[in-house]
Amino acid sequence: DAGVTQSPTHLIKTRGQQVTLRCSPISGHKSVSWYQQVLGQGPQFIFQYYEKEERGRGNFPDRFSARQFPNYSSELNVNALLLGDSALYLCASSLQGLYGYTFGSGTRLTVV
Amino acid sequence: AQSVAQPEDQVNVAEGNPLTVKCTYSVSGNPYLFWYVQYPNRGLQFLLKYITGDNLVKGSYGFEAEFNKSQTSFHLKKPSALVSDSALYFCAVRDRSNDYKLSFGAGTTVTVRA
Repeated sequence: DAGVTQSPTHLIKTRGQQVTLRCSPISGHKSVSWYQQVLGQGPQFIFQYYEKEERGRGNFPDRFSARQFPNYSSELNVNALLLGDSALYLCASSLQGLYGYTFGSGTRLTVV
Repeated sequence: AQSVAQPEDQVNVAEGNPLTVKCTYSVSGNPYLFWYVQYPNRGLQFLLKYITGDNLVKGSYGFEAEFNKSQTSFHLKKPSALVSDSALYFCAVRDRSNDYKLSFGAGTTVTVRA
């Protein structure tokens, strides 16, 4: 079975640019969450979507946005990139939070 | 509010010795608790979870964790560490009153020497 897939695996962007990260959940999983992991820190919650509705949002500026599609895949968009946005962006999917979260391998974003 | 503390940045043990990685948590209600492991340049890999019931939880690769409500702790343990257990370990908590947000600790780097 395919796990959570994220694309791209790596990318480099310039300050001020915009970026879109993509996530495909495990088949049958309707919930997708996004986390930001800055080097040397634990992951920080950004968003969760369930059945295409935003269920929760972390303490991130409005430059961060996301959406979920009818097939439950998701995109995370970040506008006006800052150097501090450089991080590993992790996507997780779940049937219900109760059963735990399966994480993808992440997208490594470097802002220069 | 919910939070996790992992008091040790690094844990070093010899192969074959017991391994313990400490975690304490804070939630307003009852917790769901998780341990994840991360290898270099990889995502998070699920090890085990505490939902309810027996305070001793057994997980993948011989790991186990003990939920202690009075001490608000959920320490990860392995009786006999392997060199391949060297990785970054994260404890995470979710308050049962919310069904969407995991809060992670800062992580503990485990090094097992041969």
